[in-house]
Amino acid sequence: DVKVTQSSRYLVKRTGEKVFLECVQDMDHENMFWYRQDPGLGLRLIYFSYDVKMKEKGDIPEGYSVSREKKERFSLILESASTNQTSMYLCASNQGSYEQYFGPGTRLTVT
Amino acid sequence: KQEVTQIPAALSVPEGENLVLNCSFTDSAIYNLQWFRQDPGKGLTSLLLIQSSQREQTSGRLNASLDKSSGRSTLYIAASQPGDSATYLCAVEETSGSRLTFGEGTQLTVNP
Repeated sequence: DVKVTQSSRYLVKRTGEKVFLECVQDMDHENMFWYRQDPGLGLRLIYFSYDVKMKEKGDIPEGYSVSREKKERFSLILESASTNQTSMYLCASNQGSYEQYFGPGTRLTVT
Repeated sequence: KQEVTQIPAALSVPEGENLVLNCSFTDSAIYNLQWFRQDPGKGLTSLLLIQSSQREQTSGRLNASLDKSSGRSTLYIAASQPGDSATYLCAVEETSGSRLTFGEGTQLTVNP
């Protein structure tokens, strides 16, 4: 079974802190994605990556950056956390156009 | 820009009922469509993926259909059970290996 893991289930950070969210997949998938999910807004794509060191902006990249140094790991970075980045963050991966597999999510609260 | 709509936003049914969830998309030039299930506070679980060349896919009590020309998909759940209670999301992929565009989901409650 494909497994996508995220470093934390719950995270509380202060405004202005630099925040790292880590995602690891164990199926050698080429593609990895970061989404955020908010009530009334659904899932929105932040960034995605087709390969190591490759990244593409999604719909809402402002205030975020990403890093993919190894194929199995895709990190989302909040350069200076703000309260409007309080959200559920979901990582996903897939190979080609096969199913996207999601991690359990990280619920981030910025105070 | 692709938009995905799911109706209804919420649905409550008694156990044992057959039900249909609807998904529509504005641009019919899709590569595939995927249905997911999400339990409260959890990640998404993939249920079914329909390639654009397919008309339907089945897995157990679930059947998903796709009418690309009309921009519609349905998820049919037979003999619903309380364990089916969750939010169901559909998502479309427009080109191979690209991002998904999601609907906002239908929150399903199956009452014992």
